[in-house]
Amino acid sequence: EVQLVESGGGLVQPGGSLRLSCAASGFTFSSYAMHWVRQAPGKGLEYVSAISSNGGSTYYANSVKGRFTISRDNSKNTLYLQMGSLRAEDMAVYYCARDALWFGELLFTAFDIWGQGTMVTVSS
Amino acid sequence: DIQMTQSPSSLSASVGDRVTITCRASQSISSYLNWYQQKPGKAPKLLIYAASSLQSGVPSRFSGSGSGTDFTLTISSLQPEDFATYYCQQSYSTPRSFGQGTKLEIK
Repeated sequence: EVQLVESGGGLVQPGGSLRLSCAASGFTFSSYAMHWVRQAPGKGLEYVSAISSNGGSTYYANSVKGRFTISRDNSKNTLYLQMGSLRAEDMAVYYCARDALWFGELLFTAFDIWGQGTMVTVSS
Repeated sequence: DIQMTQSPSSLSASVGDRVTITCRASQSISSYLNWYQQKPGKAPKLLIYAASSLQSGVPSRFSGSGSGTDFTLTISSLQPEDFATYYCQQSYSTPRSFGQGTKLEIK
């Protein structure tokens, strides 16, 4: 079964750090770019970060740039999000997602597989 | 960054109704538009990619159309399991921004 399973969420104090993991199974993890998307309680989806299939290229939303680091270990089929200097506004469910590709006249992409999410609570 | 705006933000409808949700991009994104469905406490689920292509396993009552800046998601005959929140997302450029969501509720 193709799946993504996040872990590592929890309660952390403002200014603290946390590392999220996303374990992939059922597909060739090293062939896919991966993304992190978060959702604050009662709010919409916010795009957070991306990493290319080989880890050579990364992207961060302005809201997390300089505080979060995305990485991957293709030998362990695992995606990571190292979060530092956490703020109240970082409190959210964090989802990892696979970036699927469809080849036609153009190359289209979409997030076809999502993890179940892991909750990060930032509070003193 | 490309901004995505959905309308309406919420919508009440009945089982069997035909429903349309609109998504507008702040610049042309060709057909690089995806639609997702999210139910409470669950991860989003991909419904439509490339503006009009139905993801495998998604019922044919869902359809998408549009190109450039204006897009629509249509549900031809609402079923009880369709009451959820729907998001559009552009895949033209990074960041892959989402619309703010449309909550579809039972009338």
